[in-house]
Amino acid sequence: NAGVTQTPKFRILKIGQSMTLQCTQDMNHNYMYWYRQDPGMGLKLIYYSVGAGITDKGEVPNGYNVSRSTTEDFPLRLELAAPSQTSVYFCASWDGGLRNEKLFFGSGTQLSVL
Amino acid sequence: AQSVTQPDIHITVSEGASLELRCNYSYGATPYLFWYVQSPGQGLQLLLKYFSGDTLVQGIKGFEAEFKRSQSSFNLRKPSVHWSDAAEYFCAVGANTDKLIFGTGTRLQVFP
Repeated sequence: NAGVTQTPKFRILKIGQSMTLQCTQDMNHNYMYWYRQDPGMGLKLIYYSVGAGITDKGEVPNGYNVSRSTTEDFPLRLELAAPSQTSVYFCASWDGGLRNEKLFFGSGTQLSVL
Repeated sequence: AQSVTQPDIHITVSEGASLELRCNYSYGATPYLFWYVQSPGQGLQLLLKYFSGDTLVQGIKGFEAEFKRSQSSFNLRKPSVHWSDAAEYFCAVGANTDKLIFGTGTRLQVFP
């Protein structure tokens, strides 16, 4: 059981480039999330999804886009990379059940925009 | 506004010493409270959670936390720290697991 898988683990982008951070989970979880983690700032929610075909903005959505065409996949798109998007990105999922109130996290993607 | 405050950015303890990590929250309703741990280069792992009932909750790895409504606190404790406990610890609050608000984290360093 792989859990939540993120790719790539590391990436360096030039300003203005675009890229997609991949996230897939094999637990059939309805809820999926993208967080960014900056030093001294904790985790900030970028986007989330409560099921296939449904996405919504979190606390810091500007500069990002997401899609949720399947239950398993929740890619995060950066269209015009900016230095402010240098961060560690975490994808997480949850089954939505009250008996299992736990987020499952991927191991993160470290992104640098230079 | 809903928020979580972890006042200690960095804590250093000796192995075998007791530990308390502080967490204060501001939330309009009865919150769900969580502690997550992040080892270097890893995602976050749930240590424990509080929803209702007994205000002292037990978690994995020998950790416990106490919910104090009057103080809006949910401090994490461990009676005897091991070197493997060195990590970053995050307190989180929410209406449920959906859209949790995370604190800024406390980095724990353990000296032999």
